[in-house]
Amino acid sequence: GAGVSQSPSNKVTEKGKDVELRCDPISGHTALYWYRQSLGQGLEFLIYFQGNSAPDKSGLPSDRFSAERTGGSVSTLTIQRTQQEDSAVYLCASSLAVGNYEQYFGPGTRLTVT
Amino acid sequence: AQSVSQHNHHVILSEAASLELGCNYSYGGTVNLFWYVQYPGQHLQLLLKYFSGDPLVKGIKGFEAEFIKSKFSFNLRKPSVQWSDTAEYFCAPNAGNNRKLIWGLGTSLAVNP
Repeated sequence: GAGVSQSPSNKVTEKGKDVELRCDPISGHTALYWYRQSLGQGLEFLIYFQGNSAPDKSGLPSDRFSAERTGGSVSTLTIQRTQQEDSAVYLCASSLAVGNYEQYFGPGTRLTVT
Repeated sequence: AQSVSQHNHHVILSEAASLELGCNYSYGGTVNLFWYVQYPGQHLQLLLKYFSGDPLVKGIKGFEAEFIKSKFSFNLRKPSVQWSDTAEYFCAPNAGNNRKLIWGLGTSLAVNP
C-alpha cells in the first residue's frame, strides 16, 4: 500500500510481558518517528530514525523501551516488562526527511497492559 | 525550553459557527508551523503549514491559519464549520531547524448538526 502501516492494530498483554510493535513506513521515506498518544496527553515523541544516522532516543521514557530500524525501512518498537502506565496508542510516522517535512502517520497500535 | 500552547482543550460549536483555535509557541527565531488533524477513526494528517511568505496560509477543507510573529501565534480558523470538522486538532511548531516538531496537547472540536 501507499501509506504507513502498523501491526498489530490492538495488543492486550499482561503486566511484565514484553511486546513488539511494528511499523512499515512509506517507501523512500528516510525519516521514521515513533510517538505515544495517551488520552488527553497529546503526542509524546519517543524516537526518530533518519537514514543511517544514529537515532534520536531522547523521548524514550525508560530503558524498558527500545527501537530499531532494519535496512532503513521497517521499524520495531519493543517494550520490555510492560507496566500498566505503558497503555496507550503507539503511532508511527514517516517523512522524506526529519525536520520540516510532512509526516505521514500510520493507524497506530492500541496497547493495553492488564 | 521551546514549548507550544493550545489554549482551547475542548470546543463545542454548532454548524455554521466560526472557529478559531489558538496556538502560541515560545521561540524567537525562525519557526515553521504545522497544524495536523485527526478525524474520528482516521490517521493524523496534515491540515496546513507555514514556512515563509504570506503569513495567511490556506489548508484543506476551508481551513486557514495566520502567523503573527509579534504574538508568537499561529491560530487556526474556519469561517463556517461543518459537522464533518469534528476532530482533534494539533499545532506543531518546528523552531529553527530542529529535527523534530514540538506537539501541542491538541484541541478536541465537536460540531453539533
